[in-house]
Amino acid sequence: NAGVTQTPKFQVLKTGQSMTLQCAQDMNHEYMSWYRQDPGMGLRLIHYSVGAGITDQGEVPNGYNVSRSTTEDFPLRLLSAAPSQTSVYFCASSYSSGSPLHFGNGTRLTVT
Amino acid sequence: AQTVTQSQPEMSVQEAETVTLSCTYDTSENNYYLFWYKQPPSRQMILVIRQEAYKQQNATENRFSVNFQKAAKSFSLKISDSQLGDTAMYFCAFMSEVNDMRFGAGTRLTVKP
Repeated sequence: NAGVTQTPKFQVLKTGQSMTLQCAQDMNHEYMSWYRQDPGMGLRLIHYSVGAGITDQGEVPNGYNVSRSTTEDFPLRLLSAAPSQTSVYFCASSYSSGSPLHFGNGTRLTVT
Repeated sequence: AQTVTQSQPEMSVQEAETVTLSCTYDTSENNYYLFWYKQPPSRQMILVIRQEAYKQQNATENRFSVNFQKAAKSFSLKISDSQLGDTAMYFCAFMSEVNDMRFGAGTRLTVKP
């Protein structure tokens, strides 16, 4: 099983550029989420989705958009990258309420 | 909003000894879930242990066990017989019933030979 797959693994952007981080899971999980990890701050929730067609904001949603057109995919869009968005991004999914999150391997994004 | 606090940024332990990592959280909810995740240098997030708030019995997974004190909102992780492979960042996490998971800042654990 592939589990949660994130692409790309690394990305360098210039300020103002846009891009989409891809996330796909093959476990038929309803819940999916995006986190960013910064030194000394743990993982902070950006956006999450409890099912196809439903998304909601987490702790740090500004500068990011998401959509959930299918159960499998949950892309994260940066509309106009800023240096403050330099971070490691994790996508995660879980089966149901209270189930552990399954994480992807992360994307290291650098914005110059 | 729920908050999770890990007050020990770094800890070290000798191989084969026992170490306890602290975690406290703040919530007004009665039903929730608590987790410890391990992140080795590979960056992968690995589930260590899970606790359901409505269960009084402390969860255990081999060498890993928790001390869950619901009234005190405390959820510490004990690692027994520490091994070199336990060297990693450890994150405490709180999950509400809507699967909104929040993490602490992490504790970097080093196991010394």
